[in-house]
Amino acid sequence: DVKVTQSSRYLVKRTGEKVFLECVQDMDHENMFWYRQDPGLGLRLIYFSYDVKMKEKGDIPEGYSVSREKKERFSLILESASTNQTSMYLCASSLARGAYEQYFGPGTRLTVT
Amino acid sequence: GQQLNQSPQSMFIQEGEDVSMNCTSSSIFNTWLWYKQDPGEGPVLLIALYKAGELTSNGRLTAQFGITRKDSFLNISASIPSDVGIYFCVYSSASKIIFGSGTRLSIRP
Repeated sequence: DVKVTQSSRYLVKRTGEKVFLECVQDMDHENMFWYRQDPGLGLRLIYFSYDVKMKEKGDIPEGYSVSREKKERFSLILESASTNQTSMYLCASSLARGAYEQYFGPGTRLTVT
Repeated sequence: GQQLNQSPQSMFIQEGEDVSMNCTSSSIFNTWLWYKQDPGEGPVLLIALYKAGELTSNGRLTAQFGITRKDSFLNISASIPSDVGIYFCVYSSASKIIFGSGTRLSIRP
């Protein structure tokens, strides 16, 4: 079974803090993705990566950055957390470019106070 | 940009009822995917559709790719408590992925 794990299920941070969300997949997938999920808005793509050290902006990259130093690990960074970044963050991976099925982690619920 | 409109936003069902939900787009799509998110978990792929008119089943779930290529439907027959969750229609290509806003399914007590 594909397993995508995220470092925390719940996180509370203060405004202005730097926040790291970690994601690890164990199936040697090429692609990794970060989404945020807000009620009524579905999932919105923040950043994705097709290969190590590669990254591409999704639909809402502002206020976020990512890092992919190893194939199995994709990190989402909030350089200076703000209250409007309070959300559920979901990481996903897929086999290769053009592969439709994504495998999701359980999510990290981030609260910024 | 491309958008997916999903309806209904939420629905309450009695156990045993059939359920229908749909998704429409402003653009022509080549694929439609349906995902389900259980409470406290990430979404999981249920059904993938690749051809206009295609009808595909997965157990009690049936999904159709509309002839116009601008819509898709998901039906659940004889609902059971574990059907509760959020259902998303999704467009996916090599360079783009778009999630609908979701249909939240609840069981009426």
